[in-house]
Amino acid sequence: EAGVTQFPSHSVIEKGQTVTLRCDPISGHDNLYWYRRVMGKEIKFLLHFVKESKQDESGMPNNRFLAERTGGTYSTLKVQPAELEDSGVYFCASSQGSGGPSTDTQYFGPGTRLTVL
Amino acid sequence: AQSVTQLGSHVSVSEGALVLLRCNYSSSVPPYLFWYVQYPNQGLQLLLKYTSAATLVKGINGFEAEFKKSETSFHLTKPSAHMSDAAEYFCAVTYLSGTYKYIFGTGTRLKVLA
Repeated sequence: EAGVTQFPSHSVIEKGQTVTLRCDPISGHDNLYWYRRVMGKEIKFLLHFVKESKQDESGMPNNRFLAERTGGTYSTLKVQPAELEDSGVYFCASSQGSGGPSTDTQYFGPGTRLTVL
Repeated sequence: AQSVTQLGSHVSVSEGALVLLRCNYSSSVPPYLFWYVQYPNQGLQLLLKYTSAATLVKGINGFEAEFKKSETSFHLTKPSAHMSDAAEYFCAVTYLSGTYKYIFGTGTRLKVLA
């Protein structure tokens, strides 16, 4: 079974440009999460999808970030326009969506390392 | 607010020595606790999780962790370090409410010395 995949693995862009990150969850997983790790800090929650619906976007930093999950499958996270402080590693995770945290483990992708110059 | 503290951003141990990575959480409600490991160029891999059953949890690769409510701790241990254990380790907590989002510590990078 394929794990969570993320594309690209690395992205280097100039301040003011737009970048789109993609996450493909494990097939059949209803829950999809985005997290971000700024260098040296903790991994922080950004938002949560259940199928195609945003369940919780309380961690999104500002309106320069837009996340979508078309048809409840893959998800994209767009940053427009990018700022220096957006640099970091963006992780995606998915879980099946049943039974709560005792049984519903989040599986993480390798992350996308975003560098904004 | 709930939080997780991992003491020591870098820990070095000799091969064959005990590994002890510390994690403390702050919470007013019962937590679910996790340890994840990240090897270079890979995603976070679940080592073990505490879900209110046994307080001593055994995970993969010989790791275990003990939930101590009185100390609000969930330290990760392994009796004998192996070179392949060199990685970054993350402690995380979630709760039976809301979206089950994880709250992570800042991570501990483990170095194993030959």
